[in-house]
Amino acid sequence: GNSVTQMEGPVTLSEEAFLTINCTYTATGYPSLFWYVQYPGEGLQLLLKATKADDKGSNKGFEATYRKETTSFHLEKGSVQVSDSAVYFCALSYPGGSEKLVFGKGTKLTVNP
Amino acid sequence: KAGVTQTPRYLIKTRGQQVTLSCSPISGHRSVSWYQQTPGQGLQFLFEYFSETQRNKGNFPGRFSGRQFSNSRSEMNVSTLELGDSALYLCASSFGDQISYEQYFGPGTRLTVT
Repeated sequence: GNSVTQMEGPVTLSEEAFLTINCTYTATGYPSLFWYVQYPGEGLQLLLKATKADDKGSNKGFEATYRKETTSFHLEKGSVQVSDSAVYFCALSYPGGSEKLVFGKGTKLTVNP
Repeated sequence: KAGVTQTPRYLIKTRGQQVTLSCSPISGHRSVSWYQQTPGQGLQFLFEYFSETQRNKGNFPGRFSGRQFSNSRSEMNVSTLELGDSALYLCASSFGDQISYEQYFGPGTRLTVT
């Protein structure tokens, strides 16, 4: 079946450090891939997306590239800020009659000043 | 443009009771999906409605049901509540055109079953 595996957290970084959160997927066909972020006490916000191989999604300094050969969609940011502290979810949506999202378990990021 | 709204934000119910949660999608969005979020199971898909029809359903018991109205607003109902139903219930809306696949989430309803 379709599934998403992302690195276990929690991840703790100092401000201005480089961030990578790994995400790999298993899917039939060609899914669309997403990163969502959840701040404490809130719902999920779409951070970025990619809909086909080699697409790069980017937003607010975050980037992720859809790698079909390695079935990966790793999230990166060159210099994290305290305000980036949140839980990050990798997700996929696959064609076939609905827009159901399949999520990874989430990775909690804490950025210290 | 107003975002996805969910009411109520918090609910406390007793085991055996039933509950109805409401979701108003972004204007113009015709698809509404519901997800359950728990610390143990993470985010799990409940069901999706598009143009008042259930388009997909997750692996939840029949106690979980939903519906969508002609204005795209959606409700989900949980009957005979169990302690394990305590969770954050998230609603998401999208155009439903299966092209962009971008879903926009509401703030959620926190349900506590005692």
